[in-house]
Amino acid sequence: DIQMTQSPSSLSASVGDRVTITCRASQTINTYLNWYQQKPGRAPKVLIYTASTLQTGVPSRFSGSGSGTDFTLTISSLQPEDFATYYCQQSYFTPYTFGQGTKLEIK
Amino acid sequence: QVQLQESGPGLVKPSQTLSLTCTVSDDSIDINSYYWSWFRQPSGRGLEWIGRFYPGGSTNYNTSLKSRLTISADPSKNQFSLSLSSVTAADTAVYYCAREVPSAYYFDFWGQGTLVTVSS
Repeated sequence: DIQMTQSPSSLSASVGDRVTITCRASQTINTYLNWYQQKPGRAPKVLIYTASTLQTGVPSRFSGSGSGTDFTLTISSLQPEDFATYYCQQSYFTPYTFGQGTKLEIK
Repeated sequence: QVQLQESGPGLVKPSQTLSLTCTVSDDSIDINSYYWSWFRQPSGRGLEWIGRFYPGGSTNYNTSLKSRLTISADPSKNQFSLSLSSVTAADTAVYYCAREVPSAYYFDFWGQGTLVTVSS
Protein backbone atom coordinates (compact mmCIF):
# COMPACT_ATOMS: atom_id res chain seq x y z
CA ASP A 1 0.00 0.00 0.00
CA ILE A 2 1.10 3.58 -0.61
CA GLN A 3 1.87 5.37 2.66
CA MET A 4 0.97 9.05 2.95
CA THR A 5 2.78 11.20 5.51
CA GLN A 6 1.52 14.65 6.40
CA SER A 7 3.34 17.34 8.30
CA PRO A 8 2.85 18.90 10.65
CA SER A 9 0.36 16.78 12.62
CA SER A 10 -0.94 19.91 14.28
CA LEU A 11 -0.54 23.60 13.70
CA SER A 12 -1.53 26.71 15.60
CA ALA A 13 -2.13 29.83 13.54
CA SER A 14 -4.00 33.11 13.60
CA VAL A 15 -6.69 34.55 11.38
CA GLY A 16 -4.98 36.12 8.38
CA ASP A 17 -1.92 33.87 8.50
CA ARG A 18 -0.59 31.99 5.50
CA VAL A 19 -0.40 28.27 6.22
CA THR A 20 1.22 25.40 4.36
CA ILE A 21 0.64 21.69 4.97
CA THR A 22 2.81 19.09 3.27
CA CYS A 23 2.07 15.54 2.21
CA ARG A 24 4.59 12.97 1.05
CA ALA A 25 3.81 9.70 -0.69
CA SER A 26 5.92 6.58 -0.23
CA GLN A 27 6.11 6.19 -4.02
CA THR A 28 5.30 8.33 -6.98
CA ILE A 29 1.60 9.05 -7.45
CA ASN A 30 1.84 11.46 -10.39
CA THR A 31 -0.75 14.13 -9.48
CA TYR A 32 -3.36 11.77 -8.07
CA LEU A 33 -3.51 13.61 -4.79
CA ASN A 34 -6.59 15.11 -3.17
CA TRP A 35 -7.04 17.35 -0.13
CA TYR A 36 -10.02 17.26 2.21
CA GLN A 37 -11.16 19.41 5.11
CA GLN A 38 -13.01 17.81 7.99
CA LYS A 39 -14.74 19.56 10.87
CA PRO A 40 -15.77 17.74 14.07
CA GLY A 41 -18.79 15.53 13.58
CA ARG A 42 -18.88 16.19 9.85
CA ALA A 43 -17.95 14.28 6.73
CA PRO A 44 -14.81 15.26 4.83
CA LYS A 45 -15.17 17.91 2.17
CA VAL A 46 -12.97 17.96 -0.93
CA LEU A 47 -10.96 21.15 -1.41
CA ILE A 48 -8.41 20.26 -4.08
CA TYR A 49 -8.25 17.31 -6.48
CA THR A 50 -5.50 16.07 -8.80
CA ALA A 51 -3.02 18.04 -6.71
CA SER A 52 -3.95 21.53 -7.84
CA THR A 53 -7.54 21.74 -9.13
CA LEU A 54 -9.82 23.76 -6.87
CA GLN A 55 -13.19 22.07 -6.30
CA THR A 56 -16.16 24.16 -7.38
CA GLY A 57 -17.34 26.42 -4.59
CA VAL A 58 -14.12 26.26 -2.57
CA PRO A 59 -12.62 29.69 -1.80
CA SER A 60 -9.60 30.71 -3.84
CA ARG A 61 -7.47 31.18 -0.71
CA PHE A 62 -6.98 27.40 -0.89
CA SER A 63 -4.40 26.13 -3.35
CA GLY A 64 -2.49 22.94 -3.97
CA SER A 65 0.72 22.04 -5.73
CA GLY A 66 3.11 19.20 -6.29
CA SER A 67 3.60 16.03 -8.27
CA GLY A 68 5.39 12.73 -7.89
CA THR A 69 5.82 12.26 -4.15
CA ASP A 70 5.68 15.74 -2.60
CA PHE A 71 2.62 17.93 -2.31
CA THR A 72 1.48 21.03 -0.48
CA LEU A 73 -1.79 22.62 0.52
CA THR A 74 -1.65 26.34 1.13
CA ILE A 75 -4.23 28.59 2.72
CA SER A 76 -3.26 32.13 1.79
CA SER A 77 -5.13 34.00 4.52
CA LEU A 78 -6.75 31.96 7.27
CA GLN A 79 -10.38 32.61 8.01
CA PRO A 80 -12.20 31.56 11.20
CA GLU A 81 -14.07 28.81 9.34
CA ASP A 82 -10.78 27.22 8.19
CA PHE A 83 -9.90 25.80 11.59
CA ALA A 84 -10.37 22.09 11.00
CA THR A 85 -8.44 18.92 10.22
CA TYR A 86 -6.97 18.48 6.77
CA TYR A 87 -6.22 15.19 5.05
CA CYS A 88 -4.37 14.31 1.89
CA GLN A 89 -5.45 11.21 -0.04
CA GLN A 90 -3.80 9.38 -2.89
CA SER A 91 -5.92 7.96 -5.68
CA TYR A 92 -3.13 6.51 -7.82
CA PHE A 93 -3.56 2.93 -6.62
CA THR A 94 -6.13 1.10 -4.60
CA PRO A 95 -6.32 0.76 -1.69
CA TYR A 96 -6.71 4.51 -1.55
CA THR A 97 -4.86 5.84 1.47
CA PHE A 98 -4.92 9.02 3.53
CA GLY A 99 -2.40 10.99 5.48
CA GLN A 100 -2.81 10.96 9.24
CA GLY A 101 -4.28 14.46 9.20
CA THR A 102 -3.19 17.95 10.18
CA LYS A 103 -5.22 19.65 12.88
CA LEU A 104 -5.27 23.39 12.36
CA GLU A 105 -6.04 25.23 15.58
CA ILE A 106 -6.50 28.84 16.53
CA LYS A 107 -3.46 30.45 18.18
CA GLN B 1 -27.68 18.03 -5.48
CA VAL B 2 -26.65 14.44 -4.83
CA GLN B 3 -27.36 13.15 -1.34
CA LEU B 4 -26.08 10.00 0.33
CA GLN B 5 -27.46 8.56 3.55
CA GLU B 6 -26.02 5.69 5.56
CA SER B 7 -28.29 3.43 7.57
CA GLY B 8 -27.96 0.34 9.71
CA PRO B 9 -27.55 -0.89 13.27
CA GLY B 10 -25.53 1.29 15.58
CA LEU B 11 -24.50 -1.64 17.77
CA VAL B 12 -23.10 -4.97 16.64
CA LYS B 13 -21.87 -7.81 18.83
CA PRO B 14 -18.34 -9.15 18.46
CA SER B 15 -17.98 -11.96 15.89
CA GLN B 16 -21.21 -10.92 14.17
CA THR B 17 -21.65 -9.20 10.79
CA LEU B 18 -21.86 -5.44 10.39
CA SER B 19 -24.28 -4.44 7.64
CA LEU B 20 -24.82 -0.92 6.36
CA THR B 21 -26.71 0.55 3.43
CA CYS B 22 -26.11 3.80 1.56
CA THR B 23 -29.14 5.29 -0.15
CA VAL B 24 -28.36 7.69 -2.98
CA SER B 25 -30.72 10.48 -4.02
CA ASP B 26 -30.65 12.62 -7.16
CA ASP B 27 -28.19 10.37 -8.97
CA SER B 28 -28.26 6.81 -10.25
CA ILE B 29 -25.70 4.27 -9.06
CA ASP B 30 -26.38 2.21 -12.15
CA ILE B 31 -25.20 4.74 -14.72
CA ASN B 32 -21.58 4.55 -15.82
CA SER B 33 -20.68 7.96 -14.52
CA TYR B 34 -19.53 7.55 -10.95
CA TYR B 35 -18.13 5.00 -8.55
CA TRP B 36 -19.40 4.44 -5.00
CA SER B 37 -17.22 3.87 -1.94
CA TRP B 38 -17.27 3.11 1.76
CA PHE B 39 -14.91 4.63 4.35
CA ARG B 40 -14.55 4.46 8.08
CA GLN B 41 -13.01 6.59 10.80
CA PRO B 42 -12.42 5.42 14.36
CA SER B 43 -13.03 8.09 16.96
CA GLY B 44 -10.24 10.67 16.98
CA ARG B 45 -8.37 8.94 14.18
CA GLY B 46 -7.86 9.16 10.45
CA LEU B 47 -9.82 7.96 7.45
CA GLU B 48 -9.66 4.49 5.94
CA TRP B 49 -10.98 3.57 2.49
CA ILE B 50 -12.89 0.29 2.75
CA GLY B 51 -13.82 -0.44 -0.85
CA ARG B 52 -15.94 0.54 -3.81
CA PHE B 53 -18.62 -0.55 -6.23
CA TYR B 54 -18.62 0.14 -9.96
CA PRO B 55 -21.73 0.30 -12.10
CA GLY B 56 -21.92 -3.08 -13.77
CA GLY B 57 -21.23 -4.93 -10.54
CA SER B 58 -17.46 -4.80 -10.15
CA THR B 59 -15.84 -4.10 -6.80
CA ASN B 60 -12.46 -3.18 -5.30
CA TYR B 61 -11.69 -3.93 -1.68
CA ASN B 62 -9.06 -2.77 0.77
CA THR B 63 -6.68 -5.68 1.09
CA SER B 64 -6.69 -5.32 4.88
CA LEU B 65 -10.43 -6.13 5.00
CA LYS B 66 -10.91 -8.22 1.88
CA SER B 67 -11.37 -11.57 3.64
CA ARG B 68 -14.30 -10.20 5.69
CA LEU B 69 -15.85 -7.74 3.25
CA THR B 70 -18.64 -7.71 0.72
CA ILE B 71 -19.88 -4.62 -1.10
CA SER B 72 -23.00 -5.02 -3.20
CA ALA B 73 -25.67 -2.89 -4.78
CA ASP B 74 -29.39 -2.83 -5.44
CA PRO B 75 -29.90 -0.52 -8.42
CA SER B 76 -33.69 -0.87 -8.18
CA LYS B 77 -33.52 0.91 -4.81
CA ASN B 78 -30.51 3.07 -5.74
CA GLN B 79 -28.62 1.66 -2.78
CA PHE B 80 -25.26 0.04 -2.20
CA SER B 81 -24.32 -1.94 0.86
CA LEU B 82 -21.44 -2.98 3.08
CA SER B 83 -21.16 -6.27 4.90
CA LEU B 84 -18.23 -6.86 7.25
CA SER B 85 -18.08 -10.21 9.00
CA SER B 86 -16.43 -11.40 12.21
CA VAL B 87 -16.25 -7.91 13.69
CA THR B 88 -14.20 -6.95 16.72
CA ALA B 89 -13.89 -3.79 18.77
CA ALA B 90 -11.33 -2.58 16.22
CA ASP B 91 -14.18 -2.20 13.71
CA THR B 92 -15.88 0.42 15.88
CA ALA B 93 -15.95 3.60 13.81
CA VAL B 94 -18.02 6.16 11.97
CA TYR B 95 -18.77 4.68 8.56
CA TYR B 96 -19.23 6.94 5.53
CA CYS B 97 -20.36 6.33 1.98
CA ALA B 98 -19.23 8.64 -0.81
CA ARG B 99 -19.36 9.22 -4.55
CA GLU B 100 -16.14 9.08 -6.55
CA VAL B 101 -15.52 11.02 -9.74
CA PRO B 102 -13.86 8.72 -12.28
CA SER B 103 -10.84 9.97 -14.25
CA ALA B 104 -9.97 12.41 -11.46
CA TYR B 105 -10.58 9.86 -8.71
CA TYR B 106 -11.74 12.08 -5.89
CA PHE B 107 -14.77 12.01 -3.63
CA ASP B 108 -17.17 14.87 -4.19
CA PHE B 109 -20.25 13.92 -2.18
CA TRP B 110 -20.37 12.14 1.17
CA GLY B 111 -23.00 10.83 3.50
CA GLN B 112 -23.19 12.29 6.99
CA GLY B 113 -21.73 9.14 8.51
CA THR B 114 -23.09 6.59 10.95
CA LEU B 115 -21.45 5.38 14.15
CA VAL B 116 -21.18 1.64 14.53
CA THR B 117 -20.05 0.30 17.89
CA VAL B 118 -18.91 -3.29 18.29
CA SER B 119 -19.65 -4.38 21.83
CA SER B 120 -21.33 -7.19 23.69
